[in-house]
Amino acid sequence: GENVEQHPSTLSVQEGDSAVIKCTYSDSASNYFPWYKQELGKRPQLIIDIRSNVGEKKDQRIAVTLNKTAKHFSLHITETQPEDSAVYFCAAGDKLIFGTGTRLQVFP
Amino acid sequence: DSGVTQTPKHLITATGQRVTLRCSPRSGDLSVYWYQQSLDQGLQFLIQYYNGEERAKGNILERFSAQQFPDLHSELNLSSLELGDSALYFCASSVGGQGRTEAFFGQGTRLTVV
Repeated sequence: GENVEQHPSTLSVQEGDSAVIKCTYSDSASNYFPWYKQELGKRPQLIIDIRSNVGEKKDQRIAVTLNKTAKHFSLHITETQPEDSAVYFCAAGDKLIFGTGTRLQVFP
Repeated sequence: DSGVTQTPKHLITATGQRVTLRCSPRSGDLSVYWYQQSLDQGLQFLIQYYNGEERAKGNILERFSAQQFPDLHSELNLSSLELGDSALYFCASSVGGQGRTEAFFGQGTRLTVV
């Protein structure tokens, strides 16, 4: 069945450093790849997404890259801040299958 | 506020019981997804409806069922509840039905089975 793998499961960085989260997907027909941020006790919220017709998209400190040939995509957060601390999920596929999540902790 | 409404916010019930969770999608959205999130776990896809029809199914237990009504709201029915069913249940809605448009999440229903 469709599967989305996400790594790492936890990530700790110093404030100001960069953070990278990687996902691979199995459904080659996937065309839409969103990333969600979930703060403790809250709903997941979309932070950025990318479609298969582009290889990279950037929004201020957040960027996503997509390699359709290799079936993987990555989230890059630069100049991390303590408020970036949350769980991040990638997703792919027509069923919107989510990865297992990455708990990011940014230490001041 | 995402525009997706889930009720109730909290639900406590006993093992063996049956509950119904309700989701009202954003105005104009035709697709509803249901997910289960256990403590410190990921979002497990349960089922998707699009414009009243079942579109896709995940690892949904036979004790669970769902439907989407003509007014596009959806209900998730959980029966013969077990302790392990305790989780946060989210619904999300999107305009399209093929996972290619932004999905907005409700605030979730926290189910506790005692």
